[in-house]
Amino acid sequence: AQSVTQLGSHVSVSEGALVLLRCNYSSSVPPYLFWYVQYPNQGLQLLLKYTTGATLVKGINGFEAEFKKSETSFHLTKPSAHMSDAAEYFCAVSDRGGGGNKLTFGTGTQLKVEL
Amino acid sequence: KAGVTQTPRYLIKTRGQQVTLSCSPISGHRSVSWYQQTPGQGLQFLFEYFSETQRNKGNFPGRFSGRQFSNSRSEMNVSTLELGDSALYLCASSLQTSGNYNEQFFGPGTRLTVL
Repeated sequence: AQSVTQLGSHVSVSEGALVLLRCNYSSSVPPYLFWYVQYPNQGLQLLLKYTTGATLVKGINGFEAEFKKSETSFHLTKPSAHMSDAAEYFCAVSDRGGGGNKLTFGTGTQLKVEL
Repeated sequence: KAGVTQTPRYLIKTRGQQVTLSCSPISGHRSVSWYQQTPGQGLQFLFEYFSETQRNKGNFPGRFSGRQFSNSRSEMNVSTLELGDSALYLCASSLQTSGNYNEQFFGPGTRLTVL
């Protein structure tokens, strides 16, 4: 069974500082990988995804993530944090092939951005 | 193009009652998935419907059921509500034109409170 581990349920950074949110997955076959963001009282918004091809993936709002198969990781980064980045971030995986859209999520990381 | 809509947005029920939640996918999307989000268990997959058929199912008791109509709209039902069913229920839709991954778009959710 697939699983996703997000290290750090709460991360605090200063505005302008680097954002690094960690995600590791456990799967016998490299899955599809995603990062979602959730603002209060809202649904999930896709930040970026890795399905195939280039392992460095760029997403919306200046975020990017790198798929590292050897480390089974898909960490999310942003060079310079903005106050508007404060939200909860979820890493997720889904199986390749066979149809179906079942997402398995990590427990989430609450990002706080301080002045 | 309108996004995924969920109704109602907020719902209060008492233990033992049943509830029906509705999800209207993005026009043209044929796959609808449901997720439960709670502080304790995080985001968990409930089930997925595609062309009116349940294609995937998560690990939830039989009190949780769903269906999809010919216009791709979906409903989920929870019978004999328990306090632990209090959660944000999220619906996601995707185009699903092939067996490969298709991006899922999430609705704002229905916040269910069981008293």
